[in-house]
Amino acid sequence: GQQVMQIPQYQHVQEGEDFTTYCNSSTTLSNIQWYKQRPGGHPVFLIQLVKSGEVKKQKRLTFQFGEAKKNSSLHITATQTTDVGTYFCAGPGGAGSYQLTFGKGTKLSVIP
Amino acid sequence: DAGVTQSPTHLIKTRGQHVTLRCSPISGHKSVSWYQQVLGQGPQFIFQYYEKEERGRGNFPDRFSARQFPNYSSELNVNALLLGDSALYLCASSPNRDPYEQYFGPGTRLTVT
Repeated sequence: GQQVMQIPQYQHVQEGEDFTTYCNSSTTLSNIQWYKQRPGGHPVFLIQLVKSGEVKKQKRLTFQFGEAKKNSSLHITATQTTDVGTYFCAGPGGAGSYQLTFGKGTKLSVIP
Repeated sequence: DAGVTQSPTHLIKTRGQHVTLRCSPISGHKSVSWYQQVLGQGPQFIFQYYEKEERGRGNFPDRFSARQFPNYSSELNVNALLLGDSALYLCASSPNRDPYEQYFGPGTRLTVT
């Protein structure tokens, strides 16, 4: 079945440093989504990428979808303590599938 | 507008018992999906319902079942609980049936002892 892998599993950064998490799918994706889960909270939808090579920005966050639509990245510039949480990527299970497969996430800690 | 709501917030059950979890989607959303999240892992897909029909089922045993009501709210039932069923159960709604952006509820924390 489809697998979605994320690296790194954990990342500790000093406040102000940049952070990047990478997502790779075993299959080509029709779209990829990113979610953020704060400690003790629930996943919150951040963004969806649909087009090959697409780049989207949300303030300090930059999201990319690979040309082959099998990989994606999330880059945060100048991290802040409010960025703490686990970032998940998720992709549909394939043509006609309504299943969304999540990666295991990257847990970001920001040291003030 | 209210977000996705789930009840109860927390639940403690004994092995062998059954449990019913409830979810109300965002107003106007017709699709409800259920996920299981164990500590340190991403949400794992259990079911999707759209317009009261099951549209997708993840790799979970038949002890897990769900249904969607005419008002689009949903129930997740788990029978013959095992210790390994202890997890956060998340409900997510979306406007249509396609696996696009999901709006998650706060979840139900189930502990099986």
